[in-house]
Amino acid sequence: DGGITQSPKYLFRKEGQNVTLSCEQNLNHDAMYWYRQDPGQGLRLIYYSQIVNDFQKGDIAEGYSVSREKKESFPLTVTSAQKNPTAFYLCASSINWNQGTGNTIYFGEGSWLTVV
Amino acid sequence: DAKTTQPTSMDCAEGRAANLPCNHSTISGNEYVYWYRQIHSQGPQYIIHGLKNNETNEMASLIITEDRKSSTLILPHATLRDTAVYYCIVRVPHDAGNMLTFGGGTRLMVKP
Repeated sequence: DGGITQSPKYLFRKEGQNVTLSCEQNLNHDAMYWYRQDPGQGLRLIYYSQIVNDFQKGDIAEGYSVSREKKESFPLTVTSAQKNPTAFYLCASSINWNQGTGNTIYFGEGSWLTVV
Repeated sequence: DAKTTQPTSMDCAEGRAANLPCNHSTISGNEYVYWYRQIHSQGPQYIIHGLKNNETNEMASLIITEDRKSSTLILPHATLRDTAVYYCIVRVPHDAGNMLTFGGGTRLMVKP
């Protein structure tokens, strides 16, 4: 089935450790995104990528890093510099940032990260 | 992206229509209205979007006022599975970042 796959679903990290969340899509979408959601809150954009080998910071990029070496993959690394990393992380994708008919963004099922 | 205002929560009886309002008084001419919903601990699910005409799909209907300053999402026959947080977003699909900004949304509780 076509879709966006995030892994792992649940992840525990010790303080001071980096951790990488995986996001893979088989929708042939050009653009991919990472959002963070805290309990009871809306989504905040961390990073986005419009094409392969290019990405831009979102509203809360500090303490995070990404790469976009392949069209279908957009991994997110939560570094030790992120002061409050415990959250629900959502990956998303859309077909092409420059299409004018609505360009819907679709989401994965999310990954829970807990720092212990 | 323009800001939106939604009620924090709403109740609806099972089998009845759920009408979820959204105000977006500062929407610009090229911004679309999108609706998503999120069930606890899952990713947001796309429902419907529109520019200025009313839209309908298998999930819902979207009614946009003529001045485009507000809209209503209609779930025609709400079921218990429709209990979720519903987000109304306005955005330009092809702006520089193509981003979605989610506010707090409306928590819809469908009751038996």
